[in-house]
Amino acid sequence: NAGVTQTPKFQVLKTGQSMTLQCAQDMNHEYMSWYRQDPGMGLRLIHYSVGAGITDQGEVPNGYNVSRSTTEDFPLRLLSAAPSQTSVYFCASSSDKSDGYTFGSGTRLTVV
Amino acid sequence: SQQGEEDPQALSIQEGENATMNCSYKTSINNLQWYRQNSGRGLVHLILIRSNEREKHSGRLRVTLDTSKKSSSLLITASRAADTASYFCATDKGGYQKVTFGTGTKLQVIP
Repeated sequence: NAGVTQTPKFQVLKTGQSMTLQCAQDMNHEYMSWYRQDPGMGLRLIHYSVGAGITDQGEVPNGYNVSRSTTEDFPLRLLSAAPSQTSVYFCASSSDKSDGYTFGSGTRLTVV
Repeated sequence: SQQGEEDPQALSIQEGENATMNCSYKTSINNLQWYRQNSGRGLVHLILIRSNEREKHSGRLRVTLDTSKKSSSLLITASRAADTASYFCATDKGGYQKVTFGTGTKLQVIP
């Protein structure tokens, strides 16, 4: 009954470092998405996937890469972290049979 | 730019009162959803309304959709302190492939 699991919960990076935010779901959902949430900005879509091997860009994809090699996992890679990427990151999944997204609990990232 | 915008940005009411939040969006949609977010936590799905529906109920929640005005409203009746949270609308143009969120309404229910 895990739902959507995000790791880590907190991370501090130095400018220029790279890292991967992990997201895994155990509901066999075909759709997965990454969002970032900044104060006053709501949630903005970074990348999304409609199934294994298929990904596409959202509203704010620059500086981020994704891949979807399995149905369960959808990692988000920061290639060279910048202070502007300080944010809370949410992963979410859904399927045609569900009635909305299931969200993970988020990763709070600070880039110094 | 974001598809949806909620109005008001913040709302403070007394417990027992009704709370109404509005969402306006820019382009045609297939589905509109409402989510709740308690401080520092992930979002929780509340209700989905399809573009061919005009009103939907779920417990104390009532959602309306007016596609001609590109707007939706969320009504929470008989509010409780536990309803204190931020509320977001989200829209898509088909399935869940590319769901975009509004900026949210912060609701405070005073006991």
